[in-house]
Amino acid sequence: QVQLVQSGAEVKKPGASVKVSCKASGYTFTGYYMHWVRQAPGQGLEWMGWINPNSGGTNYAQKFQGRVTMTRDTSISTAYMELSRLRSDDTAVYYCAREGRYCTNGVCPFDYWGQGTLVTVSS
Amino acid sequence: EIVLTQSPGTLSLSPGERATLSCRASQSVSSSYLAWYQQKPGQAPRLLIYGASSRATGIPDRFSGSGSGTDFTLTISRLEPEDFAVYYCQQYGSSTRTFGQGTKVEIK
Repeated sequence: QVQLVQSGAEVKKPGASVKVSCKASGYTFTGYYMHWVRQAPGQGLEWMGWINPNSGGTNYAQKFQGRVTMTRDTSISTAYMELSRLRSDDTAVYYCAREGRYCTNGVCPFDYWGQGTLVTVSS
Repeated sequence: EIVLTQSPGTLSLSPGERATLSCRASQSVSSSYLAWYQQKPGQAPRLLIYGASSRATGIPDRFSGSGSGTDFTLTISRLEPEDFAVYYCQQYGSSTRTFGQGTKVEIK
């Protein structure tokens, strides 16, 4: 069965960086785009960007351009999201989500999600 | 960027009642690329509806989606206790994916 297992909670100081991992299993990792979505406490879902695990190509939301880097290691079927120059308003749960089934013209919604990683930014 | 606006922000209903949630887009969204997700406290979102009106595997038929262009609707025909949650619409037709701000369905 498909599983996305994320790394554990992090506490960071303002200005630092955080790197969250998302280990995929139960499917061919390079066959599906991986997205990152975050959710601040009590707030809605915010899309951050995607990575194509096959090519390594990325597309970031404009809001995060210059601060976010998405990478992958195909040998261990793991995607990473690194966010730099952290601020207090980056405190959120960060999710990875697979763009998978139910596709139209090769574009698909998010069918599997990781369990989420809480990143707390506090001095 | 396509902005999605959901209404109402909160819907207070009783079990057995019908819930109607709205999602309006700032520009036309091909109905092939509109999804709805359900999120319960402490859990990741779950895909309910894709392509505006198709149910994902395992989703009960009390959930239905409709709409086209800029106006979309999620209907829950008869609320079950497990349906009280937050619901998000999402457009996935552009390279920049966006979500609505969510509608909370709470027990009246």
